[in-house]
Amino acid sequence: QSALTQPASVSGSPGQSITISCTGTSSDVGGYNFVCWYQQYPGKAPKLLIYDVSNRPSGVSNRFSGSKSGNTASLTISGLQAEDEADYYCSSYTSSITLVFGGGTKVTVL
Amino acid sequence: EVQLVESGGGLVQPGGSLRLSCAASGFTFSTYDMHWVRQASGKGLEWVSAIGTGDDTYYEGSVKGRFTISRENAKNSLYLQMNSLRVGDTAVYYCAREAHSSDWNDWYFDLWGRGTLVTVSS
Repeated sequence: QSALTQPASVSGSPGQSITISCTGTSSDVGGYNFVCWYQQYPGKAPKLLIYDVSNRPSGVSNRFSGSKSGNTASLTISGLQAEDEADYYCSSYTSSITLVFGGGTKVTVL
Repeated sequence: EVQLVESGGGLVQPGGSLRLSCAASGFTFSTYDMHWVRQASGKGLEWVSAIGTGDDTYYEGSVKGRFTISRENAKNSLYLQMNSLRVGDTAVYYCAREAHSSDWNDWYFDLWGRGTLVTVSS
């Protein structure tokens, strides 16, 4: 199972909005509404940001939002803040009864 | 406190074996599906294996036949027996709790451990 495709890096200025894409196939992202997003700081465990494409767990800022169109899911961070500088990973359930992650995107706040 | 704590990592030679453990506390372990996810240094996350509450198991292709996931509910513990280890298995291994969902294949993780480092090298 190949990793989902994410841009290696995305940057933005404080207050701006950025979007991270996550492209898969009809066997994963496109076939199920089971895409989620994680945030990871260096040396730390990942933290769940979005599940089931667009749902936020309690406690996660509403500046984070998710969507999906076809085989591509997206994470949007609005009102970018310095604390958002981290790595972001998407994941999706697959038709092989496995889970696949994206390669990760490093977000830089300029 | 609700937490997962991994242990058992270390340095092992190629071809060797290692058994990882994950101790769960603060929640009813037996009612959750559990997973192992790994991350090589400077690389992305990679799903490794899952075990359901009914002991059904699932594996990523490259570890199938070499790794075995198991659980012991009486001890609130998850395990990963790793055999025939390869240099490419070198990574931090995380234990992760799958969130309760109405869909059995809705695999997302609401609790992670801090990880344990496995180094495969001669």
